[in-house]
Amino acid sequence: AQTVTQSQPEMSVQEAETVTLSCTYDTSESDYYLFWYKQPPSRQMILVIRQEAYKQQNATENRFSVNFQKAAKSFSLKISDSQLGDAAMYFCAYRGLLLRKSSGSRLTFGEGTQLTVNP
Amino acid sequence: SAVISQKPSRDICQRGTSLTIQCQVDSQVTMMFWYRQQPGQSLTLIATANQGSEATYESGFVIDKFPISRPNLTFSTLTVSNMSPEDSSIYLCSAGTGRTGELFFGEGSRLTVL
Repeated sequence: AQTVTQSQPEMSVQEAETVTLSCTYDTSESDYYLFWYKQPPSRQMILVIRQEAYKQQNATENRFSVNFQKAAKSFSLKISDSQLGDAAMYFCAYRGLLLRKSSGSRLTFGEGTQLTVNP
Repeated sequence: SAVISQKPSRDICQRGTSLTIQCQVDSQVTMMFWYRQQPGQSLTLIATANQGSEATYESGFVIDKFPISRPNLTFSTLTVSNMSPEDSSIYLCSAGTGRTGELFFGEGSRLTVL
């Protein structure tokens, strides 16, 4: 079974600074998706960024970028120029390819990292 | 992307009663899921809602407690039956088409059982 681990329950960053959230995962599959979701106090889960395992290039979405290390099974999220609105719980998630019955199509989540942005 | 609406947004219920949560997607999706999130914790998958057939439940969740319906490609319901205070949680609906891999989420339904 796939597992996702986020070893940082809480992180804080100064406004306009850069912060990196860590995520590691365990899987026996070679093709899969990885995601970072953000959940503010409103509790709406918002997709921040996605990465396909077959792509070597790290995904980037504006101020958000990932460092995907497939061999190390590591998938960290870097937030640049942090803003007050970035404060939220961040979840790393794994999803197997749809055609693989062993993993199905569900998302497996890490425990989350609570990010605080200080003004 | 898909827009997912959940109803009710929150509710306070009495022990022993049942509550049905509705999930409506604004477009046809191939996959729908129901998750539970205890306060301050991560999301736990309850079941996969299968269109036209019985839901697939994860370990620790049973159909008698959490009956699920999915009559078409845009709608699903989750019922929390015979509720106890331990069922107090946020229940989230999730859906996706599979074309791009990501799943989208509803805003969640916060359930409090007294």
